[in-house]
Amino acid sequence: DAGITQSPRHKVTETGTPVTLRCHQTENHRYMYWYRQDPGHGLRLIHYSYGVKDTDKGEVSDGYSVSRSKTEDFLLTLESATSSQTSVYFCAISESIVLAETQYFGPGTRLLVL
Amino acid sequence: QKEVEQNSGPLSVPEGAIASLNCTYSDRGSQSFFWYRQYSGKSPELIMFIYSNGDKEDGRFTAQLNKASQYVSLLIRDSQPSDSATYLCAVRFGNQFYFGTGTSLTVIP
Repeated sequence: DAGITQSPRHKVTETGTPVTLRCHQTENHRYMYWYRQDPGHGLRLIHYSYGVKDTDKGEVSDGYSVSRSKTEDFLLTLESATSSQTSVYFCAISESIVLAETQYFGPGTRLLVL
Repeated sequence: QKEVEQNSGPLSVPEGAIASLNCTYSDRGSQSFFWYRQYSGKSPELIMFIYSNGDKEDGRFTAQLNKASQYVSLLIRDSQPSDSATYLCAVRFGNQFYFGTGTSLTVIP
């Protein structure tokens, strides 16, 4: 398994509270991604990073922010959690973007916003 | 918007049969194509990738790519009950990956 951990693995929070999810990798891969997975929607990209302090938005970035101050850590923050952000969140890493390069996924974080 | 479409299933096949999973994508600029397997409650794990037209085989798995038809498929030969999972098709365009909603496969012993 690729060296990817996510914390926390499970979280229950209330609407309006801030939440930060952490992704940590030991592979020294350049690219890191945050996805959410919901029934009927599959995996959707929230934000991604292509280097330290270099990030960009994905297709469902509203309500989320990210930061990457070190190669190994990529943080996802929900500034003010809403019930629509209840989901399973996956972090993924990729060494490069050449044709054969793929993504490897972390174990996921289950977030419930009440 | 880049679309990746899969038949959600469920697809049921008897043990030992061939399972055929299909995926279409909307953007002709898509560069490489991936199949992931995801067991319930687990994270996706890579099965195969392909980026050239034609077939690519790895053990019991064969990926097929037809860029003219914007179509990629996965064949699983000699299906086993342990193959029962959701199969995700993913397409890479630039430095982003786009995923289908997945096809649920059940292999019946």
